[in-house]
Amino acid sequence: GAGVSQSPSNKVTEKGKDVELRCDPISGHTALYWYRQRLGQGLEFLIYFQGNSAPDKSGLPSDRFSAERTGESVSTLTIQRTQQEDSAVYLCASSFPGQAHGYTFGSGTRLTVV
Amino acid sequence: GIQVEQSPPDLILQEGANSTLRCNFSDSVNNLQWFHQNPWGQLINLFYIPSGTKQNGRLSATTVATERYSLLYISSSQTTDSGVYFCADGYSSASKIIFGSGTRLSIRP
Repeated sequence: GAGVSQSPSNKVTEKGKDVELRCDPISGHTALYWYRQRLGQGLEFLIYFQGNSAPDKSGLPSDRFSAERTGESVSTLTIQRTQQEDSAVYLCASSFPGQAHGYTFGSGTRLTVV
Repeated sequence: GIQVEQSPPDLILQEGANSTLRCNFSDSVNNLQWFHQNPWGQLINLFYIPSGTKQNGRLSATTVATERYSLLYISSSQTTDSGVYFCADGYSSASKIIFGSGTRLSIRP
């Protein structure tokens, strides 16, 4: 597609429920990144996928968070047993391999846990 | 790991004024980038500038890698320049990048 597409754009969920967020990167972008942005704060790295290499999961805050990517296309970020502190905007970005400077961000998913 | 510090945290200016935003790094500069997040949350890549100076219209950026800092200059600011400016750096060209906490710029008409 023309840009990085994320869905849903907004998600309200009850505490304790699981949620799944989706990211569709730009075609040909083999690198994909997930970040979390809490209200009024900077971007917090979560996970990085590069082609068929093992993902860099060093930013995942707890074992409630997991992410998958099918080949070089869609990625899903799953948060299990959501907590109120998970409320944030979850941003996805993609780039060509070896060109982290060519990041293109999606519009994000705003997650609210009530 | 890499620490990225930005200053000032907030800046309020009148339309037409010039501004300088600063980014300091705790480690060597590898993959420095500047981003603008508009009031609707969309992040746009402004510059990739691991060293030297680049200009794009009213915006320019300079990175002094040996001293581990970068500056973003905005001249003749407009209300559309409002938002949060982030700098970010990574360990290599093929890795994640770490963001600073941002400078929130508000341009008043």
